[in-house]
Amino acid sequence: QVQLQESGPGLVKPSETLSLTCTVSGVSINTFHWSWIRQSAGKGPEFIGHLYSTGSTDYNPSLKSRLTMSMDKSKNQFSLKLSSVTAADTAVYYCARDQGRPYVSWYYFDNWGQGTLVTVSS
Amino acid sequence: EIVLTQSPGTLSLSPGERATLSCRASQSVSSGYIAWYQQKPGQAPRLLIHGASSRATGIPDRFSGSGSGTDFTLTISRLDPEDFAVYYCQQYESSPETFGQGTKVEIK
Repeated sequence: QVQLQESGPGLVKPSETLSLTCTVSGVSINTFHWSWIRQSAGKGPEFIGHLYSTGSTDYNPSLKSRLTMSMDKSKNQFSLKLSSVTAADTAVYYCARDQGRPYVSWYYFDNWGQGTLVTVSS
Repeated sequence: EIVLTQSPGTLSLSPGERATLSCRASQSVSSGYIAWYQQKPGQAPRLLIHGASSRATGIPDRFSGSGSGTDFTLTISRLDPEDFAVYYCQQYESSPETFGQGTKVEIK
């Protein structure tokens, strides 16, 4: 059974870097692609970026200039860094597993972590 | 990017009734790459439907999806008390993947 768990600071100051880690259990991260998704209060989810099993990435253009995603295969973890945060980045952040047909479609998300609330405030 | 508009914003129904939720895309999702999710308070979204009409593993058959082009529908044939939640559609036809703003199904 696949399980994902987000971890990281719940409070980040404006202009600083938000850093989160997703720990995956039940499957090797080598065998799937993964994503970060966030959700502000009362709104629909927002896709942040893909991290492919090869280590390559695809970022949402709206966040691309501030994003870095990477994986640590030895720990079966992947991570998100979002720089120069503002109050608009306050949200629940989820990590999720991608499903789809590579080279045919993009991805939907069949397994999600429980989410972690990150608040941007001084 | 493809914008998804869900309607209605809120659906007030009684257990046992039929729920029909709409998701309209700003451009054609010609391959039918639409997914539906259920979200309860304090929980992550749960995948219900992918490929517009394929139920995810373990999803009851009272949930069904249909549609093509720009108009897609999630139908819950008979509402169970556990079905009262917020529902989101998502397109994976083009990058970046996008979600609708949600439809809340509440108890009347």
